[in-house]
Amino acid sequence: AQRVTQPEKLLSVFKGAPVELKCNYSYSGSPELFWYVQYSRQRLQLLLRHISRESIKGFTADLNKGETSFHLKKPFAQEEDSAMYYCALSGQSRGGSEKLVFGKGTKLTVNP
Amino acid sequence: GAVVSQHPSRVICKSGTSVKIECRSLDFQATTMFWYRQFPKQSLMLMATSNEGSKATYEQGVEKDKFLINHASLTLSTLTVTSAHPEDSSFYICSAWTGVMLGYTFGSGTRLTVV
Repeated sequence: AQRVTQPEKLLSVFKGAPVELKCNYSYSGSPELFWYVQYSRQRLQLLLRHISRESIKGFTADLNKGETSFHLKKPFAQEEDSAMYYCALSGQSRGGSEKLVFGKGTKLTVNP
Repeated sequence: GAVVSQHPSRVICKSGTSVKIECRSLDFQATTMFWYRQFPKQSLMLMATSNEGSKATYEQGVEKDKFLINHASLTLSTLTVTSAHPEDSSFYICSAWTGVMLGYTFGSGTRLTVV
């Protein structure tokens, strides 16, 4: 069964501090991992996905198959990073018919 | 590009009535759409997967007769909450696959309140 675990419900850091949002997954096949962000009163937006290996807004995430993790990191947090972050997993499918399974989310607060 | 438009954004209805929520893909064709439910301060729970021209696939525990999903065209999927009760009050979100480059995109959600 697919499962995504985000152990921290809340995470609070100061501006300029490094931040790491943890995500672990359980999946028997080859997963595709995503991070989505939801700013206050806005829709869910894709932040990054492991296959693209991009850095968006200074965030990076590396898929560690040995540890089944996909932690999200940023070296210097900004106040505008305050939002709800969701880690999500789907099976790999070019057709896009694979469902996304979400973790429970981590609310990040960056204090001035 | 790759926008999903979801309407209405908010709806209040009386117990026992039905409510329809629409999701349209504006600049792409969505063969598959996903419907999620989000309780306050909780994650998104997948309710069903709708495929254009065929019956939706419901997740375990989701009543298909209560949450009717129709995906009649490549740009429109609807979720109808039938005979709504206060416990159906929630935030409903649709999502569609936009392709390999952009992946999944989400609607802005519908806040349903049943009184």
